[in-house]
Amino acid sequence: QKEVEQDPGPLSVPEGAIVSLNCTYSNSAFQYFMWYRQYSRKGPELLMYTYSSGNKEDGRFTAQVDKSSKYISLFIRDSQPSDSATYLCAIGPGAQKLVFGQGTRLTINP
Amino acid sequence: ETGVTQTPRHLVMGMTNKKSLKCEQHLGHNAMYWYKQSAKKPLELMFVYSLEERVENNSVPSRFSPECPNSSHLFLHLHTLQPEDSALYLCASSQESWAHREVETQYFGPGTRLLVL
Repeated sequence: QKEVEQDPGPLSVPEGAIVSLNCTYSNSAFQYFMWYRQYSRKGPELLMYTYSSGNKEDGRFTAQVDKSSKYISLFIRDSQPSDSATYLCAIGPGAQKLVFGQGTRLTINP
Repeated sequence: ETGVTQTPRHLVMGMTNKKSLKCEQHLGHNAMYWYKQSAKKPLELMFVYSLEERVENNSVPSRFSPECPNSSHLFLHLHTLQPEDSALYLCASSQESWAHREVETQYFGPGTRLLVL
């Protein structure tokens, strides 16, 4: 079993839709939960992070952590074509020991 | 220059060549990382340097040799690579914190796309 599992997609939705991206993980000791966005030909950039548990909201983005199910989610409201990118979850016991998911390629169609 | 820069952005090399990738961070961070990103595979952590000391080496083949001369610079020396080493090589940096609730965000550079022929 992989430490972090993420559906690679691709996922294609119309502009304005709510997008749900998910990852599962196997190690209950993991406490750092992050979402990165990677545009084509660029390095990943941090979108959201959560330490330990709970939800976090930042504008149109909401990150959720369910430690009992070992499941994390990123929701994007009112999706825009500029949100088209690959979204990577990164989970680990420490910020220097992140395990990345494969990434989900998302396309928002105008 | 701001953030994390990497040079070259693209590199084509033969299996007998020796080349080096360079990373520089302008963020005042004390930890630096090398990752490998291959198509349809997750980012793979290769090396971690904290305070210029190597703290993590994830069983990377010896044909990859890192060097961290100071906290702002990181190199990856390449020699006798294989075609399967073709990938995007990403450098990242972070500020290590001993306050456990602080998140030491990793900032990534744009990567060097390497093709081994």
